[in-house]
Amino acid sequence: AQSVTQLGSHVSVSEGALVLLRCNYSSSVPPYLFWYVQYPNQGLQLLLKYTTGATLVKGINGFEAEFKKSETSFHLTKPSAHMSDAAEYFCAVTPPTGGGFKTIFGAGTRLFVKA
Amino acid sequence: ETGVTQTPRHLVMGMTNKKSLKCEQHLGHNAMYWYKQSAKKPLELMFVYSLEERVENNSVPSRFSPECPNSSHLFLHLHTLQPEDSALYLCASSQGTSGANVLTFGAGSRLTVL
Repeated sequence: AQSVTQLGSHVSVSEGALVLLRCNYSSSVPPYLFWYVQYPNQGLQLLLKYTTGATLVKGINGFEAEFKKSETSFHLTKPSAHMSDAAEYFCAVTPPTGGGFKTIFGAGTRLFVKA
Repeated sequence: ETGVTQTPRHLVMGMTNKKSLKCEQHLGHNAMYWYKQSAKKPLELMFVYSLEERVENNSVPSRFSPECPNSSHLFLHLHTLQPEDSALYLCASSQGTSGANVLTFGAGSRLTVL
């Protein structure tokens, strides 16, 4: 069975510092991988996704993530945090077969950005 | 209106009330979803409709009853709820139900059961 683990329910960084949010998955075959962001009082919106091809994926707002099959990881990074990045971030995985309703979300990591 | 719209944004109901949550998508998608988001828990998939047919029901109690009259509208009918049902209910849509498809979410309906 698939599972998703996001290390750290809360991460705090200073403005301008590197953002690193960790996501590890457990799956018998490499899944499709997603990062979604949820700003206060809003629904989730897609940051980036990996399906096939290049393992380094660039998303919106300067975020990127790298699929590492050997480490079963899909960590999210941004070189320089901005106050507007404060939000909750969700990693999600979907098996390549079986449909989107098999998507499993992680518990989320709340990012705090200090001035 | 664009994207996925959910109404009401906030709902307070007693345990004996009957209410409904509404979701409308303006994206031309053919699949719609209900998720439950509780504090400190991963999103829980409740129901999936594809081409107006329910394709997934994740062991949801019968006090939650979904309805999908057409590909643009999705309802969640609520009756005799429990306080533990208090949560943010998110509607989402996608074009198809392939695992590679992106989910587009509404802003959610915050439900409080007294």
